[in-house]
Amino acid sequence: SYVLTQPPSVSVAPGQTARITCGGNNIGSKSVHWYQQKPGQAPVLVVYDDSDRPSGIPERFSGSNSGNTATLTISRVEAGDEADYYCQVWDSSSVVVFGGGTKLTVL
Amino acid sequence: QVQLVESGGGVVQPGGSLRLSCAASGFTFSSYGMHWVRQAPGKGLEWVAFIRYDGSNKYYADSVKGRFTISRDNSKNTLYLQMNSLRAEDTAVYYCAKDPESQWLGPPGWFDPWGQGTLVTVSS
Repeated sequence: SYVLTQPPSVSVAPGQTARITCGGNNIGSKSVHWYQQKPGQAPVLVVYDDSDRPSGIPERFSGSNSGNTATLTISRVEAGDEADYYCQVWDSSSVVVFGGGTKLTVL
Repeated sequence: QVQLVESGGGVVQPGGSLRLSCAASGFTFSSYGMHWVRQAPGKGLEWVAFIRYDGSNKYYADSVKGRFTISRDNSKNTLYLQMNSLRAEDTAVYYCAKDPESQWLGPPGWFDPWGQGTLVTVSS
C-alpha cells in the first residue's frame, strides 16, 4: 500500500515561511491535496491538485510537487495558521491515502 | 451554501452495530461522489469509504472491509455508513465529505467540504 510521510511537527516564528513536506514514492506523478485542521474543528481544504487554492484561502498558502516530495508553503505565517496539516493522494492500490499529519507551531 | 451534517454517533458495545447518516444540502447531491473519513482521538485522518454519485461503485479501506457498508439515498440527499462488528479501534469522529467532480467516474479527488463529524465510541 502507498505511504505518505510527514514530519510530526514544524515550528516557525510569525512573519516567517513554513514549509511542510509530504514524502511518497514518485509522489510527483500524483495529485496532492492539503488540509488544515484546527483543534475541535473539521479539516478544511487549503490546496488541491498540488498547487491550486480554493476560494477564500489566502494567497499565503501555496503548494508544489516533484519527485518524491510535495510541499505546502505558508508565507508570512500568522498565529491563526497554527494547526495540524495533512496531505492526501489517491493511489490505485490504496484508493485514498492521508499523511500522518504535521503540527504547525507558531512561536 | 454546501452543508453536510452527520448524525447517528453514540456509544456501542464491541460487536455491536451503528448506522451513521450525513444529510447534504446546497448542491445537487445525486451528482457527486461522497466519502467517509474518521479520526481516532488524538490521531490523524483515516479514509474509510467512497461511493460514486450514482452508487454504482463503492470502495473501502482494508480496516473496515466486510464490516462497514456505504450507501446513499439520492431522493433524500443522504449518505449512510452501516457499521457492524464494531471494535474498540473503530472509536473515532466520523466525517462525511464531498468529492469535487460532478458525475465523475474517474479516481476520487479532494474532499471539500467536510461535515462537523459525529463521535462513535465502542466500549463495554
